[in-house]
Amino acid sequence: AQTVTQSQPEMSVQEAETVTLSCTYDTSESDYYLFWYKQPPSRQMILVIRQEAYKQQNATENRFSVNFQKAAKSFSLKISDSQLGDAAMYFCALMDSSYKLIFGSGTRLLVRP
Amino acid sequence: DVKVTQSSRYLVKRTGEKVFLECVQDMDHENMFWYRQDPGLGLRLIYFSYDVKMKEKGDIPEGYSVSREKKERFSLILESASTNQTSMYLCASPRPGDSSYNEQFFGPGTRLTVL
Repeated sequence: AQTVTQSQPEMSVQEAETVTLSCTYDTSESDYYLFWYKQPPSRQMILVIRQEAYKQQNATENRFSVNFQKAAKSFSLKISDSQLGDAAMYFCALMDSSYKLIFGSGTRLLVRP
Repeated sequence: DVKVTQSSRYLVKRTGEKVFLECVQDMDHENMFWYRQDPGLGLRLIYFSYDVKMKEKGDIPEGYSVSREKKERFSLILESASTNQTSMYLCASPRPGDSSYNEQFFGPGTRLTVL
């Protein structure tokens, strides 16, 4: 069975600082995709960043970047220059060839002004 | 702008009632998914559909059924609602065109309370 684990239920960061959210996963598939989704209080799930497993280069999207360690099955999210609007639930997710998403339990990010 | 809509943001029902949650996507995509979100558990897949009149069970299908009569509409049905089905329900459909990325768009969610 495929699993995604987020071991940090809650994280806190000072505005303008950097924070890293952890995610580990397990899959027997060789071809899969990894995602970080953000869910603000509005509840709308928003894609933050995605990584194809066959790509060695870590994905980046502006202030968001990942550290993808395929052998260790680790996929952490780094948020640089944190902003108040980054406060949300963050979910790590795995998608295999069936297009189904397997989600972690989520990490609540608090941003201190 | 792609859109996935859900019929209700909030819903309150009584135990034993039959409940319909509707999801509509305007992306003309074959795949549609229903997830349930609970604190500490993340999102879990209930049912999904790869085409009209097709349905597949996800990880937690018990107590639920689905209907896909038209490509754009995917309904989740609680045949006899129970209090343990109180939850947030999210519908999703992939972004068309760039299939290699398989980005899924989510609806705004329906918070269902069963009394």
